[in-house]
Order: sequence, then C-alpha cells, then structure tokens
Amino acid sequence: DQQVKQNSPSLSVQEGRISILNCDYTNSMFDYFLWYKKYPAEGPTFLISISSIKDKNEDGRFTVFLNKSAKHLSLHIVPSQPGDSAVYFCAASARSSGSARQLTFGSGTQLTVLP
Amino acid sequence: DTEVTQTPKHLVMGMTNKKSLKCEQHMGHRAMYWYKQKAKKPPELMFVYSYEKLSINESVPSRFSPECPNSSLLNLHLHALQPEDSALYLCASSQVGIEAFFGQGTRLTVV
Repeated sequence: DQQVKQNSPSLSVQEGRISILNCDYTNSMFDYFLWYKKYPAEGPTFLISISSIKDKNEDGRFTVFLNKSAKHLSLHIVPSQPGDSAVYFCAASARSSGSARQLTFGSGTQLTVLP
Repeated sequence: DTEVTQTPKHLVMGMTNKKSLKCEQHMGHRAMYWYKQKAKKPPELMFVYSYEKLSINESVPSRFSPECPNSSLLNLHLHALQPEDSALYLCASSQVGIEAFFGQGTRLTVV
C-alpha cells in the first residue's frame, strides 16, 4: 500500500514557465513533508519542506503548498530553468516513539524543462 | 557543512566477496540511515540508527550487516550478495528530526 503517491511519472515544461509537481498521501499521521531533487546516479538533494501546521512554504523559486483536508501537496517552481530537469521525490515523515523519524517516498516525477 | 560522504562511489563485487560501504557525516546528526534504490524506483529504507543504536531494520536479508562505530560513521558490510542486490546504496543523516541529508551513493554491481 503506497502511502505517498506521485501519479505523474513525467512532466515537461517550457523554460520560464511554472512547473507544478503533485503528491498525495494517505497516512494522517504524517506531519512533515519534504521535496527532494535527484539527478541520475547521485543522492537526493533536499529542496524544501513544510510542516503540517502550515499551508505554504516558500524558498526562492520553490514553493510548497499543503492541503491537509485533501491530503495533497504540490511543489511549484517558477520560473523553471533547464537545470531543474531531474527526478523530484515527495517524502513524508511521521513521529515515531523510541526511534528516529523515517521518510516515506513517493515514486518520483521526472521533470524536463525545455529550452 | 551539510555533507554526507560515502565511499566508494562505485563497487563491483563477486557473489563470494566480502566488502563494506562507508558513510561519514560531521553535522552532529544523531540519526543515520541506509537506503537502497533501484533504477526508476524511490529509495527504500533498509536500516535506521538512532544515537548509535539500531532502531529499525526493514526485514533486510542478513547478507547486509550494518554497523555504527560512532556518531559520525556508518558502515554497511556486504557478504554473499546476489546479482539482484545491484543498486545505488544511499546513506543519509538527520538531527533525529525532519530533513535527511543524503550522500552521493555507492553504485554497487554484483557479478
């Protein structure tokens, strides 16, 4: 049972336009959400996160929106640049008694920004 | 310094070999993780160490043996692996909290 879902395996966007990547989750215990960017054969790079008590977090060109009632979050990148082309993973985290938090990843969305 | 360093970057090993993957972080993080990632799939959690104690083992076969010698180091000992164990092995650390920082990974090929 996938608790974090990214239903779009790929997305193509023109340079300068907005990229919107979507993510849905099912576990109500998740209280923190993160986006990672990954190039082939490299480790994921942390981009931006949001706590469940917020509905928006912005960092430069990246903004994450959280809709708790819909169990949905999205990452907006504006303006999109060719260097943004990568796989984007949504991840979620829940408090865990007695152990460190662990991340549950979605399946990823390949973003291609066309020049 | 937000760096997690993994060595080696690439490793080819036979099914009878014993090898180790190493991971190091100097951010003072008290949680360290091993993930496995196959092509076009998300990272899958293997092990979690919290305060140098193994806290989560996600039903990983015993041919993978983790070790946390101190708060900065994490090893993954490999023995008698199968070709299907070929993957990108990722180490990550976090301040027992939210954002996990990943290393560049070790690309492992079992022949």
